[in-house]
Amino acid sequence: ELKVEQNPLFLSMQEGKNYTIYCNYSTTSDRLYWYRQDPGKSLESLFVLLSNGAVKQEGRLMASLDTKARLSTLHITAAVHDLSATYFCASGGWASGSRLTFGEGTQLTVNP
Amino acid sequence: EAQVTQNPRYLITVTGKKLTVTCSQNMNHEYMSWYRQDPGLGLRQIYYSMNVEVTDKGDVPEGYKVSRKEKRNFPLILESPSPNQTSLYFCASRSGDRVYGYTFGSGTRLTVV
Repeated sequence: ELKVEQNPLFLSMQEGKNYTIYCNYSTTSDRLYWYRQDPGKSLESLFVLLSNGAVKQEGRLMASLDTKARLSTLHITAAVHDLSATYFCASGGWASGSRLTFGEGTQLTVNP
Repeated sequence: EAQVTQNPRYLITVTGKKLTVTCSQNMNHEYMSWYRQDPGLGLRQIYYSMNVEVTDKGDVPEGYKVSRKEKRNFPLILESPSPNQTSLYFCASRSGDRVYGYTFGSGTRLTVV
């Protein structure tokens, strides 16, 4: 059974600081997704990572994937208040078709 | 506009009264899924479908049914809702190309009393 664990679950940081959210998954996976969710809203796709060593960047967010370590990271650079949201990683195992397992989510608060 | 449309957005119902939450996508996606989101438990997959007439159970399928008679529609049916099915439900779809992530609907907040 695929398990996905994120840490930290809660993160409070100051504007301008850097931080990393970690996502560990338990079995071999062929894809890793990062999503953002604002309170009361739906999920917005941020990144799709498909291969070992994949790195993608969008604005102040950068995601990477290490399939050997079964680890993905979401790095936040010079945080701003608008990044406050809950971030989820999700993984699908090999030949799992449409099955997707989500982490518990990291609630990020960026304080002025 | 490419989107996944769920209806209704909010629903309050009574225990045992059958209900259907509709989901429709206009992107010609093969894959569709239903999730429920509960505080402290994150998102859990209920059912998924890889194409028309092809569905399979996710992690928490008990108490739910689905059907995929047309590619664009994937309704979620609660034959006899119970209070423990009170939750926020999301429908999502994606193409067969893994390069793209799932597109999520706006969500349906269901309360069963």
